[in-house]
Amino acid sequence: EDQVTQSPEALRLQEGESSSLNCSYTVSGLRGLFWYRQDPGKGPEFLFTLYSAGEEKEKERLKATLTKKESFLHITAPKPEDSATYLCASQGGATNKLIFGTGTLLAVQP
Amino acid sequence: NAGVMQNPRHLVRRRGQEARLRCSPMKGHSHVYWYRQLPEEGLKFMVYLQKENIIDESGMPKERFSAEFPKEGPSILRIQQVVRGDSAAYFCASSPGQIGATNEKLFFGSGTQLSVL
Repeated sequence: EDQVTQSPEALRLQEGESSSLNCSYTVSGLRGLFWYRQDPGKGPEFLFTLYSAGEEKEKERLKATLTKKESFLHITAPKPEDSATYLCASQGGATNKLIFGTGTLLAVQP
Repeated sequence: NAGVMQNPRHLVRRRGQEARLRCSPMKGHSHVYWYRQLPEEGLKFMVYLQKENIIDESGMPKERFSAEFPKEGPSILRIQQVVRGDSAAYFCASSPGQIGATNEKLFFGSGTQLSVL
């Protein structure tokens, strides 16, 4: 069964303190690995899609990377406005649905 | 260009009543997905629909839950005879084509928070 596991569950950083969030996945025939950001009371907001091992994508202070078993979301010099829950999801095989992890709750303190 | 619109934002029902959740996808999107999010849990896939067709309902409970996406109008997620365990945030997402194809992704609405008393 396809599965996505995210760690840590929660992460508290000081402003400017860089770190990484982990997403481990087991999926048959990965077609896409997705990262979303979710703010309280809102729906997930798309960040990145990665399609193959070795691929990297960047957006402002965020960089997503992908290996054959994991994806990392690197946050460089975070700001308080980066505080949110970050969700990872996989899509595999012939399915059109995304399988989500439980997310990492990031809090960045000024 | 309006995003995915869900209504109501909050819905309160008593046990045994029916709940109807509505979702209007983004303009030009013909693929709709429903997800449920329980506290401390991730988003769980429920159903995937295209206009007038249910493509994948593998995440839908076998009883009391149904979904439709008619030719005209919004997609509806219907829960009959609600129970306390149905209390959750229900999110709708849409895409213009099949996700997994290059550059295709899901756009989510702000969700409907269902509370069952």
